[in-house]
Amino acid sequence: EPEVTQTPSHQVTQMGQEVILRCVPISNHLYFYWYRQILGQKVEFLVSFYNNEISEKSEIFDDQFSVERPDGSNFTLKIRSTKLEDSAMYFCASSPRTSGSTDTQYFGPGTRLTVL
Amino acid sequence: AQSVTQLDSHVSVSEGTPVLLRCNYSSSYSPSLFWYVQHPNKGLQLLLKYTSAATLVKGINGFEAEFKKSETSFHLTKPSAHMSDAAEYFCVVSKTQTGANNLFFGTGTRLTVIP
Repeated sequence: EPEVTQTPSHQVTQMGQEVILRCVPISNHLYFYWYRQILGQKVEFLVSFYNNEISEKSEIFDDQFSVERPDGSNFTLKIRSTKLEDSAMYFCASSPRTSGSTDTQYFGPGTRLTVL
Repeated sequence: AQSVTQLDSHVSVSEGTPVLLRCNYSSSYSPSLFWYVQHPNKGLQLLLKYTSAATLVKGINGFEAEFKKSETSFHLTKPSAHMSDAAEYFCVVSKTQTGANNLFFGTGTRLTVIP
């Protein structure tokens, strides 16, 4: 069964450094998402991406964040200058965009980002 | 605005006994509701979803949930717990009913199954 994959599983970085989190969505899916979960808190929506552009983003997704689909398979989240409060589990998801019904999002296993 | 409240952060049941994980929602629209499960070191897996068809929704692994509009609830149940059910469960509401939109998660309920 196809699944969303994410790399790395754990990333440790110094405050102020740039990080890129990578995701490979399910191959025939058209919508892509990033969510994050700070330890002990809710999973929060960051951004959705469709047709090579951001379709929606939350207040969390400020200028420090960017997303890209550099090729036909990868979907990346970049944090330009990490802060301590960026430490969280980051989940990638994809959905097929089924017209006329609610899309189901399929999630990856997550990348745990630790900012020191 | 959309939100969900999971009433229990931790539920503990004995193997073979029923499971009840409670969820209440708030939505400005007719909601789509989901339950996701997360096993340790695994991604979030969809258990079931409600999209305004039948109010009793059956999912994988013997789980089901009933949408009750009058109570704004979407509780998850299973008649008989199995050891493999031990995991974190998330109740989720979608922003709108069709198309792809961001999801709003509850805080999660950790289910422990006692042998």
